[in-house]
Amino acid sequence: QSALTQPASVSGSPGQSITISCTGTSSDVGYYNYVSWYQQHPGKAPKLMVYDVTKRPSGVSNRFSGSKSGNTASLTISGLQAEDEADYYCSSYTSTSTWVFGGGTKLTVL
Amino acid sequence: EVQLVESGGGLVQPGGSLRLSCAASGFTFSSYWMSWVRQAPGKGLEWVANINQDGREKHYVDSVKGRFTISRDNAKNSLYLQMNSLRAEDTAVYYCARESAYSGYDWDYWGQGTLVTVSS
Repeated sequence: QSALTQPASVSGSPGQSITISCTGTSSDVGYYNYVSWYQQHPGKAPKLMVYDVTKRPSGVSNRFSGSKSGNTASLTISGLQAEDEADYYCSSYTSTSTWVFGGGTKLTVL
Repeated sequence: EVQLVESGGGLVQPGGSLRLSCAASGFTFSSYWMSWVRQAPGKGLEWVANINQDGREKHYVDSVKGRFTISRDNAKNSLYLQMNSLRAEDTAVYYCARESAYSGYDWDYWGQGTLVTVSS
């Protein structure tokens, strides 16, 4: 049950696009299409942004999109806005009926 | 409105016990799997345990197996986490989360968390 691998930090200017990667194994990210992404602002609870690799919950901006190739999933945020600055975590369901999170990525909007 | 409110956190000595509670409202609690997810200070998220709708199926992260027990009382719309033999590395904010109505393999509602500090 090792954590998924995410970059510690990414940054971008307003209006630009950024992509956050999330690398796991064939027992988690590569096993199911059950990767989800969460946004967390300081001192707040996480918020679901993408589920089942590519799907967006109602109310989440279409600037957020997800994808997956093999054992690596990605979250892309287009048209960066100041309020997107937050920590982002990926999560995957695993072959042992448990979940594993990534270590988190701090997004800075320059 | 869906609400999840955790309680029961606090300061406990290593080797001690604590019971966390999560009061749910605004949805049919008995229809959902529920999870506990924790976050150590300044660190990332870690899934801890989950439980199915009738409480008969439970899963745990390896690091808490044999020490923590997840349970629920559907009549009281409440989720619990009994934590025994606590260690310093269990220090974290513990979140109660609902496994989503979307696919069930993610969490669509989270509480605000309760802080557990294990220290002498």
